[in-house]
Amino acid sequence: AQSVAQPEDQVNVAEGNPLTVKCTYSVSGNPYLFWYVQYPNRGLQFLLKYITGDNLVKGSYGFEAEFNKSQTSFHLKKPSALVSDSALYFCAVRDLTSGSARQLTFGSGTQLTVLP
Amino acid sequence: NAGVTQTPKFRILKIGQSMTLQCTQDMNHNYMYWYRQDPGMGLKLIYYSVGAGITDKGEVPNGYNVSRSTTEDFPLRLELAAPSQTSVYFCASSTPGQGSEAFFGQGTRLTVV
Repeated sequence: AQSVAQPEDQVNVAEGNPLTVKCTYSVSGNPYLFWYVQYPNRGLQFLLKYITGDNLVKGSYGFEAEFNKSQTSFHLKKPSALVSDSALYFCAVRDLTSGSARQLTFGSGTQLTVLP
Repeated sequence: NAGVTQTPKFRILKIGQSMTLQCTQDMNHNYMYWYRQDPGMGLKLIYYSVGAGITDKGEVPNGYNVSRSTTEDFPLRLELAAPSQTSVYFCASSTPGQGSEAFFGQGTRLTVV
């Protein structure tokens, strides 16, 4: 079965500092990995995804994520945080070789707060 | 583009009542999903559909039913509402490719009292 872990419920960072939101995954085969962001009282918005190729993926709003197969991680990063980045972030995975390949499995979410 | 539209946005139900959460998408996506979001628990998949007439159970299907008579619509039915079904419900859709990202509606906040 596929699973995703986001080990930090809350991440606080000062505006202008780099931010990292951690994600590790468990799959039996090859993963497709996704990051979504949720602002209060809104649905989830897609940020970026890893399918294949370059391990460093760039996405919306200056975010990027690095796929590390040996550490089964897909951490979300941004070089310089903005107060407007404050939101709930979700990592998600699809296991391509499992019977549940059509299903997108989400982590529990990490609340990012950027302090002015 | 409207994208994925959910109605209603809010609803309060009494225990034992039933209701249907509506979801429609205008992107001609074959795949549609229903998730529930509980605090600190992330999103749990309730049901999904890979096309009209085809539905399948997700991780937490008990107490819910779905149908998919058209590509656009994927309603979620709650029969005999229970307090454990108090949650925020999200509908999503995607193209069939496994690398495709899902597009989400704005959610329905349901309270069962």
